[in-house]
Amino acid sequence: QVQLQESGPGLVKPSETLSLTCAVSGYSISSDCYWGWIRQAPGKGLEWIGTISIYHSGNTFYNPSLKSRVTISVDASKNQFSLKLTSVTAADTAVYYCSREVLSTTLDWGQGTLVTVSS
Amino acid sequence: QSALTQPRSVSGSPGQSVTISCTGTSSDVGRYIYVSWYQQHPGKAPKLMIYDVSKRPSGVPDRFSGSKSGNTASLTISGLQAEDEADYYCCSHAGTYVLFGGGTKLTVL
Repeated sequence: QVQLQESGPGLVKPSETLSLTCAVSGYSISSDCYWGWIRQAPGKGLEWIGTISIYHSGNTFYNPSLKSRVTISVDASKNQFSLKLTSVTAADTAVYYCSREVLSTTLDWGQGTLVTVSS
Repeated sequence: QSALTQPRSVSGSPGQSVTISCTGTSSDVGRYIYVSWYQQHPGKAPKLMIYDVSKRPSGVPDRFSGSKSGNTASLTISGLQAEDEADYYCCSHAGTYVLFGGGTKLTVL
């Protein structure tokens, strides 16, 4: 049973960098799948942020609309992966979910963590 | 890239069937079989209901079915039950990224 748990600051100041980590348990992060992030602004729909795969040579894929500000990385030694989103604004306020993805299907979700961008 | 187009809301009475549409383009829904559907109850993480257009994960009732025609995918829920009331999102592979629909609120009357 895969379990995903997000962690990181719940409040980030405008123009700063949002950093979140997802701890994976019950599954090797080096397995044949992609690990990613999806967000949901309050009262809004889901927005795919991007994914990474150690198995697939560290390939990363990002939402074109966020690509210039997003970095997803993996720490295999800790079985976890991370999200960095730079130059945040209030529009980046959202619940951020980490996920396990296979062939563009999100099979597993974390519980989500609310990140608020405010001074 | 734009989000996939879904109706904002649909409704039905218990026991009835409802269908939620998801319209994309020939670059996403129309091109790939990797179309999935997710159910989300308030305050909860989404749950996978359909993948690869029409496949059901283990544990999902067969009341839920998916299909696709051209650039439009559909989720049909038959024999509506009160617990089906939720938001539903479609999702499609789009080459080097993934697109979600805007979401549809299903109300069980």
